[in-house]
Amino acid sequence: GQQVMQIPQYQHVQEGEDFTTYCNSSTTLSNIQWYKQRPGGHPVFLIQLVKSGEVKKQKRLTFQFGEAKKNSSLHITATQTTDVGTYFCAGQLYNFNKFYFGSGTKLNVKP
Amino acid sequence: EAEVAQSPRYKITEKSQAVAFWCDPISGHATLYWYRQILGQGPELLVQFQDESVVDDSQLPKDRFSAERLKGVDSTLKIQPAELGDSAMYLCASSLSGGTTDTQYFGPGTRLTVL
Repeated sequence: GQQVMQIPQYQHVQEGEDFTTYCNSSTTLSNIQWYKQRPGGHPVFLIQLVKSGEVKKQKRLTFQFGEAKKNSSLHITATQTTDVGTYFCAGQLYNFNKFYFGSGTKLNVKP
Repeated sequence: EAEVAQSPRYKITEKSQAVAFWCDPISGHATLYWYRQILGQGPELLVQFQDESVVDDSQLPKDRFSAERLKGVDSTLKIQPAELGDSAMYLCASSLSGGTTDTQYFGPGTRLTVL
């Protein structure tokens, strides 16, 4: 069964609005990674979160890892058209090397 | 900047035919992954190699799919015979050691269409 769930599936925003995607696991994760896939492209690594409650920022992007290490979020402040793409989370379980990808959130930004 | 290479980029085949995809990871990367990504979904791991050894192939349909990484460098994924449901993007990724803090670098993928 699917280990990592991601919502929403789609998000359409006006340029300048904020955007958030959420990732949830039924099992405690050892760490979680976030990727961005542009239309027609391949996933590109954004960041990894390892510690409980960890928050990391990359310019307008804020990533959070939940206290229980079962959920994570990616928040983009003041979206730009360059943010268009699909954002995936990928969680790794303890004692397993493989990553379980969420189904992704497709972001469309209207100029 | 070093990249993961894949070929071909696109492949159209008829069902029951055999297809093969090639991947050359970033030099020095010990871990190589093959993922399948169906349109609108996230990548699903098919097989993971550590050097030349398979460490996870639990989701690989072994009756028709095979993968090898004979010298621990480049890798080939084969499907025989192809079925309509195999139409997808096949992504190869590599990482330095496969550890929990490793970053996976993805190649451009091979888009397979089975008619």
